[in-house]
Amino acid sequence: SQTIHQWPATLVQPVGSPLSLECTVEGTSNPNLYWYRQAAGRGLQLLFYSVGIGQISSEVPQNLSASRPQDRQFILSSKKLLLSDSGFYLCAWDPGLERNNEQFFGPGTRLTVL
Amino acid sequence: AQSVTQPDIHITVSEGASLELRCNYSYGATPYLFWYVQSPGQGLQLLLKYFSGDTLVQGIKGFEAEFKRSQSSFNLRKPSVHWSDAAEYFCAVKGASKSTFGDGTTLTVKP
Repeated sequence: SQTIHQWPATLVQPVGSPLSLECTVEGTSNPNLYWYRQAAGRGLQLLFYSVGIGQISSEVPQNLSASRPQDRQFILSSKKLLLSDSGFYLCAWDPGLERNNEQFFGPGTRLTVL
Repeated sequence: AQSVTQPDIHITVSEGASLELRCNYSYGATPYLFWYVQSPGQGLQLLLKYFSGDTLVQGIKGFEAEFKRSQSSFNLRKPSVHWSDAAEYFCAVKGASKSTFGDGTTLTVKP
């Protein structure tokens, strides 16, 4: 069966520090991968998605970036964190190919920027 | 552009009462629609989905949703709410390559 992992689970970082969040998927190949941010009391904002290794689409301009160095690994990064980067970050995957496939979400990373 | 509106930010119902969560979507072609549930501090879990066929779809945990093309709606229902249903619920529409989520509805269940 397929599983999705995210780490760390929680993170407290000072403003201006770098960031690296990792997401890995097991039990499937060539998945579509997604990074979402969920601010307190808000819905899910799509940040990046990837349909293959090295293929990244950015949805919103910001100081975050994403990379997909391996088929089942998706990394969210920042060189300098802002206070507004605080939130709950969710990674998700779907098998691609068919639109009727739902997304499968990881457990999330709670990021607090102080 | 695709979009989803969940008009109710917060709903409170008594345990055992019926529930309806509203969802309106905008999409230029045949919509692929989903309802997800999120417990506090957790990821999202799929409740049900619709992409064709019978407009009344059944999901897990006793939930169902009805697709109404004329109203651009995909409302979620449950005949009798349990305390464990307290959570946040998200409606989503999926386009060619990505999903758009509503802002969510928080459900509180009173004993």
